[in-house]
Amino acid sequence: DTGVSQNPRHKITKRGQNVTFRCDPISEHNRLYWYRQTLGQGPEFLTYFQNEAQLEKSRLLSDRFSAERPKGSFSTLEIQRTEQGDSAMYLCASSLIGSETQYFGPGTRLLVL
Amino acid sequence: DAKTTQPPSMDCAEGRAANLPCNHSTISGNEYVYWYRQIHSQGPQYIIHGLKNNETNEMASLIITEDRKSSTLILPHATLRDTAVYYCIVRVAGSARQLTFGSGTQLTVLP
Repeated sequence: DTGVSQNPRHKITKRGQNVTFRCDPISEHNRLYWYRQTLGQGPEFLTYFQNEAQLEKSRLLSDRFSAERPKGSFSTLEIQRTEQGDSAMYLCASSLIGSETQYFGPGTRLLVL
Repeated sequence: DAKTTQPPSMDCAEGRAANLPCNHSTISGNEYVYWYRQIHSQGPQYIIHGLKNNETNEMASLIITEDRKSSTLILPHATLRDTAVYYCIVRVAGSARQLTFGSGTQLTVLP
C-alpha cells in the first residue's frame, strides 16, 4: 500500500522562474486536493479534482497558479513567475468517493530567492 | 463547516495519556469531527473521525460529548514520536469539500 507521493520534496528557485510540482495519489483514489502551508499556519486549500475534472479552483491564489490532472491519475501544480511570497510547503491529498478521508503526501517545500 | 477551538499548546509526560480537547459548539447534525496531526516538516496524518459515538482505532480514541459541542482526542500512552500539531476539523459527511485547518494544538511529549 503506497501512500501519496510528491516530487520534488524540495525546490529552490529564483524569483520570476516557473516551477512545477507533481503529485501521485493513492491508487484508485478519485479525488485529489492541493493545499499550501506557510510557516506557523495550518494548510490552506487551493484546488481539487474529481477524476480529471477540476471542480474547484477559485481558491487558487492568483492566475499564476494552475493545476492539471490530465488522465485522472497524477496531478501537477504549476506556479509561473514565482515571487518570494510563494515560498511555502505545497501539499497534495487524495480521497476515495464515499470515504472522503483525505490522505496527505509529504509535501514539496518551495523556496523562492 | 463549523468552526473549532483548540488550545494552542499542551505538554504531556511520556507514557501518560494525552487528552486533547476541541470545542465545536456550532456543529450541525450531519457534520463529523476529524482529527489530523502534523509532525514537523511532514504532511498531515489522518488519525480518527466520528459522528456522535465514541470511536477507537490503533492510534487513538475519540470521545464526543452527548450534545456534540465538544470532543477529546486521547492518545493512551504518549511517546516522543507523538509530538506534533493536532488539528480538530469539522466537516459534512460525504462532502468533497476541502478540509479547513485552524491553528491546532502543539502537543509536546516530554521525556
